[in-house]
Amino acid sequence: DTGVSQDPRHKITKRGQNVTFRCDPISEHNRLYWYRQTLGQGPEFLTYFQNEAQLEKSRLLSDRFSAERPKGSFSTLEIQRTEQGDSAMYLCASSPYTGELFFGEGSRLTVL
Amino acid sequence: KQEVTQIPAALSVPEGENLVLNCSFTDSAIYNLQWFRQDPGKGLTSLLLIQSSQREQTSGRLNASLDKSSGRSTLYIAASQPGDSATYLCAVRIGGSQGNLIFGKGTKLSVKP
Repeated sequence: DTGVSQDPRHKITKRGQNVTFRCDPISEHNRLYWYRQTLGQGPEFLTYFQNEAQLEKSRLLSDRFSAERPKGSFSTLEIQRTEQGDSAMYLCASSPYTGELFFGEGSRLTVL
Repeated sequence: KQEVTQIPAALSVPEGENLVLNCSFTDSAIYNLQWFRQDPGKGLTSLLLIQSSQREQTSGRLNASLDKSSGRSTLYIAASQPGDSATYLCAVRIGGSQGNLIFGKGTKLSVKP
């Protein structure tokens, strides 16, 4: 499978715990995006990488959120001290030079 | 601030009908527009990408048009099938080729056999 891969697909955690999501983009894509989606809403932009450089961060990305793309390949999104309001689907997408975004299946987070 | 609106929020049609989904955006300074399909609990599947210089794109039974000056795009689905049932999202890219996408809330389509 050469699509965008996300892991884990589901994560249930207790409030206050830390969680980490991983995204493996399509190999020839140098751009990688993280979005968050809640029920009944469209995805909201969180952050964007070009290769290993994090070029843009949304105001939605509070100081409890951190994203990395250490070697310009896979990316991780970590949420520290999770809150119930963090419950959502976290979507990763990658893009070639055309600008067309290709999304993974998402990682669903439930904070109890 | 760019806002994307999709009307209607939900649509139910009988199988075989041709239908149009609407997307409007408030700022015409977009780089491109992309239509996606999302099945329940799943990620987004790209359907069509229209660059700002283009007027329309076609893929199989799908045709998307773009009118930048009026801030509108439509997704036309011909001869709808039950397998077309999903939520359809439109998104505009702002800030050039490296900008992010601003999404609408989607139109939930149900095609009844």
